[in-house]
Amino acid sequence: DTAVSQTPKYLVTQMGNDKSIKCEQNLGHDTMYWYKQDSKKFLKIMFSYNNKELIINETVPNRFSPKSPDKAHLNLHINSLELGDSAVYFCASSQDQSRKRFFGQGTRLTVV
Amino acid sequence: SQKIEQNSEALNIQEGKTATLTCNYTNYSPAYLQWYRQDPGRGPVFLLLIRENEKEKRKERLKVTFDTTLKQSLFHITASQPADSATYLCALENRYSTLTFGKGTMLLVSP
Repeated sequence: DTAVSQTPKYLVTQMGNDKSIKCEQNLGHDTMYWYKQDSKKFLKIMFSYNNKELIINETVPNRFSPKSPDKAHLNLHINSLELGDSAVYFCASSQDQSRKRFFGQGTRLTVV
Repeated sequence: SQKIEQNSEALNIQEGKTATLTCNYTNYSPAYLQWYRQDPGRGPVFLLLIRENEKEKRKERLKVTFDTTLKQSLFHITASQPADSATYLCALENRYSTLTFGKGTMLLVSP
């Protein structure tokens, strides 16, 4: 069984569009995260949610918004996509904030 | 500013040898240090976690050391195998549970 799953795996879209990436974890973890890995392979935290509360919000444009309908899901909505948003986005979860992260397989977003 | 440095050049070793990867950091006081493995097209996979008051941690063929004075962690894979070829990421976690990743070092183990 997949622990952290995200869809879609690939997403190609035009500039200016709005898109969403979904993430679900079946581990019963209470914290979920979104990371961005750019072309230089740096993996940077974007958001984390703990019990439906946003607890980390790094310097991410407000075009990006996380939505957590319940503890097992953390979706990422992106408005007005720009070329620079092209990257691989990873969802992750952990049992609490100070433990190992379990990552999804990633969503490769390409903005053309 | 905080910085995590991992060797950007790929490490090439022969099968059976010990691979040693380095993670150096500056302007950081981590409570934990973690190592992850990432294969192409996949998400990172957790390998080991070591606390600031621990010097060494082992798991099967893996060993991690953590020197808070030198601000350095070493990651060893003994008896390396071609299947160990991947990118290895060092990640530092502070007391506020923010996990910051290094850029990673690619390891290539030839048969």
